[in-house]
Amino acid sequence: DAMVIQNPRYQVTQFGKPVTLSCSQTLNHNVMYWYQQKSSQAPKLLFHYYDKDFNNEADTPDNFQSRRPNTSFCFLDIRSPGLGDAAMYLCATSRGAVTNEKLFFGSGTQLSVL
Amino acid sequence: QQPVQSPQAVILREGEDAVINCSSSKALYSVHWYRQKHGEAPVFLMILLKGGEQKGHDKISASFNEKKQQSSLYLTASQLSYSGTYFCGTRASGTYKYIFGTGTRLKVLA
Repeated sequence: DAMVIQNPRYQVTQFGKPVTLSCSQTLNHNVMYWYQQKSSQAPKLLFHYYDKDFNNEADTPDNFQSRRPNTSFCFLDIRSPGLGDAAMYLCATSRGAVTNEKLFFGSGTQLSVL
Repeated sequence: QQPVQSPQAVILREGEDAVINCSSSKALYSVHWYRQKHGEAPVFLMILLKGGEQKGHDKISASFNEKKQQSSLYLTASQLSYSGTYFCGTRASGTYKYIFGTGTRLKVLA
């Protein structure tokens, strides 16, 4: 089945130690999103891509970076994780043909920072 | 600008009805509704595109007002499985930037 896959499901890192979260999709969707979701809050948009066209939210910390080497893969790099970066990170895609399409989500990566 | 949802939280008994609202200061191009269980990704429920539109399936329905600034989600004869957090979602006009409303936590008790 076509889907969005996030690895790992749970990630534990140490304060200040770089960490990379990955997302892959078999849907061949043009648009990919990264969201950060903290407990009891709404998902907060960090970045989105239309193909290789990268869009960074103004309030996304400089500590967060993203790469999309090809249509299928997208990565979220956290250069120096702080305790406040502990959250669920959600990857999502949409086809990109029109702007009213729903999102397809991966299962998320729960990041803990010790 | 992030859509505002109301109420923030609601507790129901099985069989009771609930209404969740999603409001924006600007007209929305379209609105999507999702339900999220704890520790899981959001699950798509439905999309509304046109002002005045109403749609639904089973006991969950939604409406979009004429000005496209408010959408409401209606849950009738609620079941335990309806528990979760409900989000409306929308794109900024003419872009692929996708944002979620503030969320409504719903708990259904037996």
